[in-house]
Amino acid sequence: NAGVTQTPKFQVLKTGQSMTLQCAQDMNHNSMYWYRQDPGMGLRLIYYSASEGTTDKGEVPNGYNVSRLNKREFSLRLESAAPSQTSVYFCASSTVHVARAENEQFFGPGTRLTVL
Amino acid sequence: DAKTTQPPSMDCAEGRAANLPCNHSTISGNEYVYWYRQIHSQGPQYIIHGLKNNETNEMASLIITEDRKSSTLILPHATLRDTAVYYCIVRLRRSGGSNYKLTFGKGTLLTVNP
Repeated sequence: NAGVTQTPKFQVLKTGQSMTLQCAQDMNHNSMYWYRQDPGMGLRLIYYSASEGTTDKGEVPNGYNVSRLNKREFSLRLESAAPSQTSVYFCASSTVHVARAENEQFFGPGTRLTVL
Repeated sequence: DAKTTQPPSMDCAEGRAANLPCNHSTISGNEYVYWYRQIHSQGPQYIIHGLKNNETNEMASLIITEDRKSSTLILPHATLRDTAVYYCIVRLRRSGGSNYKLTFGKGTLLTVNP
């Protein structure tokens, strides 16, 4: 199993450009999440999807949209990128049905985004 | 979810036990304590979680005080590869298959020295 994969690994955008960060998991997990991490900070939740077909805002949703395309895939879109969105973006997934791993979140390797 | 307090940094000698403290004095009865770590430039990695009993797995042990207001993560024989930021997270267990959000603070940077 590949676990959680993210594309691209790196991206540079100009202010106002749009892009979509892709995330996929092959663990048959119900829930998926998008976080951002700024230098010296912990992770902050942007959006999450508790199950296929549902999405909800997290701590810092402004400037982002998400799509839970199917059970495997959860994408994050920046419609009009701003320098404040320069960050490392992590996708994660979790299941609610495995007793030992209840609430354990599995993270992808991250996407490093720079907005000029 | 309850707030946690961790020291910003700690050092440990290679081969010795690393004991990472976490205060969560406002924890409620049905909130769990979770520990994750993040090695530089990688995504966070789950370590262990517990409710009120001490827990042990292949990576670490989790000691929760009887009043549940604090806990300690123990890495029994720290290696250089354990150098990472360690996050203590307290959150509510939600039934019915609803979401399981985690709120990450700034964590503790553990540096394991040779």
